Amino acid sequence: GQSLEQPSEVTAVEGAIVQINCTYQTSGFYGLSWYQQHDGGAPTFLSYNALDGLEETGRFSSFLSRSDSYGYLLLQELQMKDSASYFCAVLNQAGTALIFGKGTTLSVSS
Amino acid sequence: ETGVTQTPRHLVMGMTNKKSLKCEQHLGHNAMYWYKQSAKKPLELMFVYNFKEQTENNSVPSRFSPECPNSSHLFLHLHTLQPEDSALYLCASSQDLGDGNQPQHFGDGTRLSIL
Repeated sequence: GQSLEQPSEVTAVEGAIVQINCTYQTSGFYGLSWYQQHDGGAPTFLSYNALDGLEETGRFSSFLSRSDSYGYLLLQELQMKDSASYFCAVLNQAGTALIFGKGTTLSVSS
Repeated sequence: ETGVTQTPRHLVMGMTNKKSLKCEQHLGHNAMYWYKQSAKKPLELMFVYNFKEQTENNSVPSRFSPECPNSSHLFLHLHTLQPEDSALYLCASSQDLGDGNQPQHFGDGTRLSIL
């Protein structure tokens, strides 16, 4: 089967750096995606890694190691507005849709 | 502003009622999805449509009945629901199936409460 594991909660202060880890088990791996969801809102796409290495997009970076079935989302210069849930996701076995982890709730305080 | 619009935003219904959730995407995408999001659980994939044809039913009970009249509209018809069906129902779309580099765009969801 497929599964994704990520921490349930992370807390940090403004200006700090936070790393949210994700380990996955899946057959036919295509890549690892990250989504952000604010309370009561729609999940929104953050990043996608198909190859090993680090992808940087502004304050957010995402890393993938295919050999370790592991990736992480790195959030730098944290702001209050970054308080949200973050989900890692992989394509399902049929390759038709995303399967999501349980999500990591990030709380940023001043 | 989201390119995927869901209505209603909130719905309260009794177990014997029949209601429908509506999703419309304005992005010209070919694939549409229904997900269920319950507290403390990951988003659960329910149905997948590609060019208005159902390609996946993820073992969803028959009291949930999807309908996709065209690539822009997706409905979820509900009847004889159970209290455990109370959740946030999210619709999503993507340009095509099976490409993680083409992100799924989500609507804000319908918060469903079953009395």
